[in-house]
Amino acid sequence: GAVVSQHPSRVICKSGTSVKIECRSLDFQATTMFWYRQFPKKSLMLMATSNEGSKATYEQGVEKDKFLINHASLTLSTLTVTSAHPEDSSFYICSAWTGVIGTGELFFGEGSRLTVL
Amino acid sequence: AQTVTQSQPEMSVQEAETVTLSCTYDTSESDYYLFWYKQPPSRQMILVIRQEAYKQQNATENRFSVNFQKAAKSFSLKISDSQLGDAAMYFCAYRSERGYQKVTFGTGTKLQVIP
Repeated sequence: GAVVSQHPSRVICKSGTSVKIECRSLDFQATTMFWYRQFPKKSLMLMATSNEGSKATYEQGVEKDKFLINHASLTLSTLTVTSAHPEDSSFYICSAWTGVIGTGELFFGEGSRLTVL
Repeated sequence: AQTVTQSQPEMSVQEAETVTLSCTYDTSESDYYLFWYKQPPSRQMILVIRQEAYKQQNATENRFSVNFQKAAKSFSLKISDSQLGDAAMYFCAYRSERGYQKVTFGTGTKLQVIP
């Protein structure tokens, strides 16, 4: 199946700093990528949908200025957590869609665990 | 808005036995996809099985099969001949046929496989 890679898999940062997480589709072009946040023992919460070359669409309650999403190419989307605070500590997962109508399948990255001290 | 409900936070099964995980969903749409995803301790989401709503036949992938009841909005996952490697969190998920490929996940069921 298609491969989606996230980097870094783990990151620890100090409060107040910004952290960038990359999501790459390695063997296909992803017209749409999604960013999820997962709290311990909880389900995945969709944060935003990003389409290549356009602004991301954020879900209700997600701070756009806190979580900056850029989808500059068909194979790369980035999530930047700005001025991170301990409450931003979480597991962030990206997923990518091939854009082929009818396939229905999303491919997920390995996830990135952010710890803010 | 669509919702997905998994009423079993945790389940356990003896190795080689069969277990069924439950999932119900709510939608006003007629065309959609349903999925079961597995999230092992490594945390990467893995697609287990997919069902298109327009198909009446239940999907099957080796030891994994579903019981799709469209009228009842029920989508259960049956794992036969359970193996230790099946231990994981299982998420039921819904995606509309229309618009963005936004996926709504259930709260998950943690499956324990007992040797």
